[in-house]
Amino acid sequence: EVQLVESGGGLVQPGGSVRLSCAASGFTFSSYAMSWVRQAPGKGLEWVSSFSSGAGGDSTYYADSVKGRFTISRDNSKNTLYLQMNSLRAEDTAVYYCAKNLPIDYWGQGTLVTVSS
Amino acid sequence: EIVLTQSPATLSLSPGERATLSCRASQSISSYLAWYQQKPGQAPRLLIYDASNRATGIPARFSGSGSGTDFTLTISSLEPEDFAVYYCQQRRKWPLTFGGGTKVEIK
Repeated sequence: EVQLVESGGGLVQPGGSVRLSCAASGFTFSSYAMSWVRQAPGKGLEWVSSFSSGAGGDSTYYADSVKGRFTISRDNSKNTLYLQMNSLRAEDTAVYYCAKNLPIDYWGQGTLVTVSS
Repeated sequence: EIVLTQSPATLSLSPGERATLSCRASQSISSYLAWYQQKPGQAPRLLIYDASNRATGIPARFSGSGSGTDFTLTISSLEPEDFAVYYCQQRRKWPLTFGGGTKVEIK
């Protein structure tokens, strides 16, 4: 059974940093692209970042809204995906979902990040 | 960036009725479109991928069609558990983008 369990969310001050983790199980983690998708309270889904691996090597992609502030990474030995979030703003407040594959076929339950003073 | 426009924003129907949801892309995305269902307090669930392929475990009452710029998700006969928000998403080009969603509510 595929499981994606996010952690690391919480309350953070504007300008602060937080690192999200996503522990994956039930599939060969290293074989799949992984992504982060967020959802602000009462709003729709917004893609944040993806990490893919192919014949040409690893590739990372970011939404313009987070480029230069967020960094996606993965540790295949630990079956874990990360999202380092720096220079956080109020508009980054959202539930952050970890997601497997493209198209996304499994989602975690999400972790809430609240950016507020 | 490819913009996905979903319509209508809200669809008010009764159980047993047919639901037709639309997703229009600002440029051709071939068949690289997925549909997701999200219920309150839950993560999204994949329904349809590559425009017309049902994901594992998805009932046959859900079907997808279209290619290029115009796509449709059809629920042939609404069950009580189908009232939710539906999103389309394209993976033809980076950045990945989602539509704004269609809420299917009980009339």
